[in-house]
Amino acid sequence: DAKTTQPPSMDCAEGRAANLPCNHSTISGNEYVYWYRQIHSQGPQYIIHGLKNNETNEMASLIITEDRKSSTLILPHATLRDTAVYYCIVRALYNTNAGKSTFGDGTTLTVKP
Amino acid sequence: NAGVTQTPKFRVLKTGQSMTLLCAQDMNHEYMYWYRQDPGMGLRLIHYSVGEGTTAKGEVPDGYNVSRLKKQNFLLGLESAAPSQTSVYFCASSYSSQLGTDTQYFGPGTRLTVL
Repeated sequence: DAKTTQPPSMDCAEGRAANLPCNHSTISGNEYVYWYRQIHSQGPQYIIHGLKNNETNEMASLIITEDRKSSTLILPHATLRDTAVYYCIVRALYNTNAGKSTFGDGTTLTVKP
Repeated sequence: NAGVTQTPKFRVLKTGQSMTLLCAQDMNHEYMYWYRQDPGMGLRLIHYSVGEGTTAKGEVPDGYNVSRLKKQNFLLGLESAAPSQTSVYFCASSYSSQLGTDTQYFGPGTRLTVL
């Protein structure tokens, strides 16, 4: 199962775009890239996911490289409320790796005024 | 639609005591999970279930047992609590869509302290 690598922390100025990288060089063809975030001590919240095409929703954009070995989560206009720990994980089609669902340490994003 | 709820929110136990954490979801999800999160760390999977009546071990199952007698409920039991089990416990549920993808929805967590 693919593991992910993320920088431990990042800062971003309020109103600017936050670009959070994730390396998943051993990802398999049937694995999706998911992003979640955890604000303070709350339960993690789903943000976005993708397989190989770039994706966008009301929260963020996900850019996946052509070789699928890395991806970037983009928060287009970061606000102070986006300060959180962001987790990048991979999940197989039809949840066939459900037993490997570990979130790792993630990236702590701090949005500064 | 309450989503995923957890009971209790907080609990303090003495070493050796037992307790059960309850997770309930009203989204008709097939999959349910129990994670633990230690201070400053990510979430680690304890046990999970892919359907009513089924359970399986995750990455850190020792010292815990689970049961999924009803589709909407997933119980996590500590038979003899130890200080090393002091943590925040999160429950999650998910479904697999027609595309085979899976999105997890998390509860608010249970903060457990074992003295």
